[in-house]
Amino acid sequence: DVVMTQSPLSLPVTLGQPASISCRSSQSLVHSDGNTYLNWFQQRPGQSPRRLINKVSNRDSGVPDRFSGSGSGTDFTLKISRVETEDVAVYYCMQGTHGPITFGGGTRVEIK
Amino acid sequence: EVHLVESGGGLVQPGGSLRLSCAASGFTFSSYWMHWVRQTPGKGLVWVSRVDPDGGTYYADSVEGRFTISRDNAKNTLYLQMNSLRGDDTGLYYCARDVWRPGSGSDYFDYWGQGTLVTVSS
Repeated sequence: DVVMTQSPLSLPVTLGQPASISCRSSQSLVHSDGNTYLNWFQQRPGQSPRRLINKVSNRDSGVPDRFSGSGSGTDFTLKISRVETEDVAVYYCMQGTHGPITFGGGTRVEIK
Repeated sequence: EVHLVESGGGLVQPGGSLRLSCAASGFTFSSYWMHWVRQTPGKGLVWVSRVDPDGGTYYADSVEGRFTISRDNAKNTLYLQMNSLRGDDTGLYYCARDVWRPGSGSDYFDYWGQGTLVTVSS
C-alpha cells in the first residue's frame, strides 16, 4: 500500500499568517492516465471531511482562494495564505492513484 | 443538492453483525462509484470498500471475506453488510462518492455523509 506521510502533526499559526502542510507519498502518484490523484480534505471539529483540493491543485467549488495545492510525483503541499479562525481543523491528504486508496495521518491547524 | 445519509450503526458484540445503509439524493446515484471509509482516533481515515456502477466490488484486506458492499440503484441506497465483527472494526463509517469522467479521470470523494458510529465491544 502507498504510505502517505504528513508533516507537521500539529501547526500553531497566528491569525492572518500563512500555513503550509507537507504530504509525501511512498510512490509516485502519477497515474497511467496522466492524472495525479492527490486530494486534500479539511475536517472541522464534529464535521465530516470536506474536499478542498482535487488532483493536486484544483480548488473545489466554494473553497476560499487562500487555499492552494501544489506538488508533483511524491511531494505535495497545501498552503493557506492567511489563516482565519474558520480554518481551525485537521487536514488530510489522500491518494487515489494506486489501490487501495490511502490517507495521510492528518495535520491539526490551531490558532497560536 | 447532494445528500448522503448513513444509518445502521450501533453497539455490537465481537463476532456479531451489522448492516449499514447510505441513502443518496440530489445526483444520479447509478452513475457513481460509491465507497465506505472508516475513521478512528488511532488510525485516522481508512478506506474500507468500493462498489462500481456495474456492481464490481473491492475491499480492504482487513475486511475481505467479512464485509459485503452492495447497492440498490432503484432505492438510491448503498449498503455495507458487516459480519464477524472485531474490536478494530470500531469507528465512524462514512459513505462517499466517486465518478469517472472521460478526459478528466476519477473524481474522488467530493461529497461525504455525516457518518454512522459502529462500536464493537462486549
